[in-house]
Amino acid sequence: SQQGEEDPQALSIQEGENATMNCSYKTSINNLQWYRQNSGRGLVHLILIRSNEREKHSGRLRVTLDTSKKSSSLLITASRAADTASYFCATDSSNTGKLIFGQGTTLQVKP
Amino acid sequence: NAGVMQNPRHLVRRRGQEARLRCSPMKGHSHVYWYRQLPEEGLKFMVYLQKENIIDESGMPKERFSAEFPKEGPSILRIQQVVRGDSAAYFCASSPQAGGAWNEQFFGPGTRLTVL
Repeated sequence: SQQGEEDPQALSIQEGENATMNCSYKTSINNLQWYRQNSGRGLVHLILIRSNEREKHSGRLRVTLDTSKKSSSLLITASRAADTASYFCATDSSNTGKLIFGQGTTLQVKP
Repeated sequence: NAGVMQNPRHLVRRRGQEARLRCSPMKGHSHVYWYRQLPEEGLKFMVYLQKENIIDESGMPKERFSAEFPKEGPSILRIQQVVRGDSAAYFCASSPQAGGAWNEQFFGPGTRLTVL
């Protein structure tokens, strides 16, 4: 089964609102990463949070990590129509670096 | 510094043909990962290679699929005798190091394989 599971599966909000996506995983991790994928395109790396970190910020993005609950959240503040995409969390639990991806959250931001 | 390059971007094959997908990692990166994405799903790990070595192929189907990363040239993912179920987007990622807390992978644009 997937290491990462995300919810919600789909999210639709108005421009300017905040969007929160959650990711849960099963095993201990080295790090957790969030990626964005526009329809039919490749993946864009957003942020990496290490297992000993609790929160990271990058521009309008805020990621939290709770290793006791094996969960992470991605918050996009003041969303824009250009944020419309699928967002995936991925965990690195091995010593080889292979990533295990969640099913993704599809975000639609309406102008 | 060019990013991860993949070609072709789109590939159409008939059932039974062979598909060859190429990946050139970022300059200075010697670790390559291949992932497959079926429609409406997340990416699934297939294989991890270093130069001239397959390190982890636990996600690779046992038959028809093979991968290599020669000393010179791109990494190749080869699918023999393709079937319709092989239709997917295949992504390559590279990293300057493997594992650990700082392993950020850089993804290529993907190759979209369609099997007719």
